[in-house]
Amino acid sequence: EPEVTQTPSHQVTQMGQEVILRCVPISNHLYFYWYRQILGQKVEFLVSFYNNEISEKSEIFDDQFSVERPDGSNFTLKIRSTKLEDSAMYFCASSEETGAYGYTFGSGTRLTVV
Amino acid sequence: AQSVAQPEDQVNVAEGNPLTVKCTYSVSGNPYLFWYVQYPNRGLQFLLKYITGDNLVKGSYGFEAEFNKSQTSFHLKKPSALVSDSALYFCAVPYSGNTPLVFGKGTRLSVIA
Repeated sequence: EPEVTQTPSHQVTQMGQEVILRCVPISNHLYFYWYRQILGQKVEFLVSFYNNEISEKSEIFDDQFSVERPDGSNFTLKIRSTKLEDSAMYFCASSEETGAYGYTFGSGTRLTVV
Repeated sequence: AQSVAQPEDQVNVAEGNPLTVKCTYSVSGNPYLFWYVQYPNRGLQFLLKYITGDNLVKGSYGFEAEFNKSQTSFHLKKPSALVSDSALYFCAVPYSGNTPLVFGKGTRLSVIA
């Protein structure tokens, strides 16, 4: 069964450093998403991406965050200057069509900011 | 904006007993509703969805959910719980229109042998 792949599985970074989280969505999917989950609690929407541009973003997704699809397969989330409160699990998801069809999630990247 | 609520943080059930994980929704128009499960140290896995049609939706691992329009609920159910069902369960709905999905706060299900 097709999977969404995320790397790395765990990233430790110092406060103020830039991090890039990587995702390889399912190949025929057109919609891509980033979510985050703090301490196994609520899953929060960050951003959605379609046709090489951001389609929606939440208030969490401020100027410190950016997304990019640098080639035909990768989808990245960049945090420019990490803060302690950015520590969370970050999940990438993709879907073939819009949300009515549900998403396939990756296993996540655990980001720890120290 | 559309939303879902999961009133229980934790549900405990004995193995072999029926289980119910509750979800209520607030949407305009016809809702699209989803259930996802998260096992420890894993991503979210799709369980089932309601788009239209039969109010009783069957999904993965023997789970089902009942769409109740009058009560604006979409409770997740299973006739006989397994210890391996212990996980975090999330109800979800598109924020507006079709995307993106927004999730409830999650309900932790513990099935005790």
